[in-house]
Amino acid sequence: NAGVTQTPKFQVLKTGQSMTLQCAQDMNHEYMSWYRQDPGMGLRLIHYSVGAGITDQGEVPNGYNVSRSTTEDFPLRLLSAAPSQTSVYFCASGASSYNSPLHFGNGTRLTVT
Amino acid sequence: RKEVEQDPGPFNVPEGATVAFNCTYSNSASQSFFWYRQDCRKEPKLLMSVYSSGNEDGRFTAQLNRASQYISLLIRDSKLSDSATYLCVVNEGGGADGLTFGKGTHLIIQP
Repeated sequence: NAGVTQTPKFQVLKTGQSMTLQCAQDMNHEYMSWYRQDPGMGLRLIHYSVGAGITDQGEVPNGYNVSRSTTEDFPLRLLSAAPSQTSVYFCASGASSYNSPLHFGNGTRLTVT
Repeated sequence: RKEVEQDPGPFNVPEGATVAFNCTYSNSASQSFFWYRQDCRKEPKLLMSVYSSGNEDGRFTAQLNRASQYISLLIRDSKLSDSATYLCVVNEGGGADGLTFGKGTHLIIQP
């Protein structure tokens, strides 16, 4: 059972570089989301999607783009990396946005120098 | 602003003891409540959903108190493997902007 697959696990970027964090789920979940987790801050929602073709901003969307062309995939793009984006990123999916539990990927540890 | 508050701890508890911690939420219209467990440098994993009538799963009991707007987690006969951070998760918005996570309570079970 693959569940939610995130790649890469680790990434180091220089300031100004761009990259895409990949997320795929095989549970046919409509809801997918991206979180970042920083020490002392808890998990914060970056972007989310309630179905293919639909995306919306969460609490901390600046500097990130998402798209949802298929139910399975929900990539997160960093447009121009900044040191403030150094964090651990988690992708999650769920059967619905509010009353079903989320399944998380293993996380991506991103360092921006 | 959505608020989900937890005591960060750490709670240092001897093996075999019972430990409980609470989580408060700000929106009285919140509908869904969960406890997640997160091990160091790993992803959060669902521990249990919290139902209005309270629910139990083995050594774990979750309660919801809507009047005082908090949920609780009780762990009986604690094991070394229970050492983790426990995240309280609430659907504060009631909509598609998802769930609000507390910052977590760090639990350390000592032999």
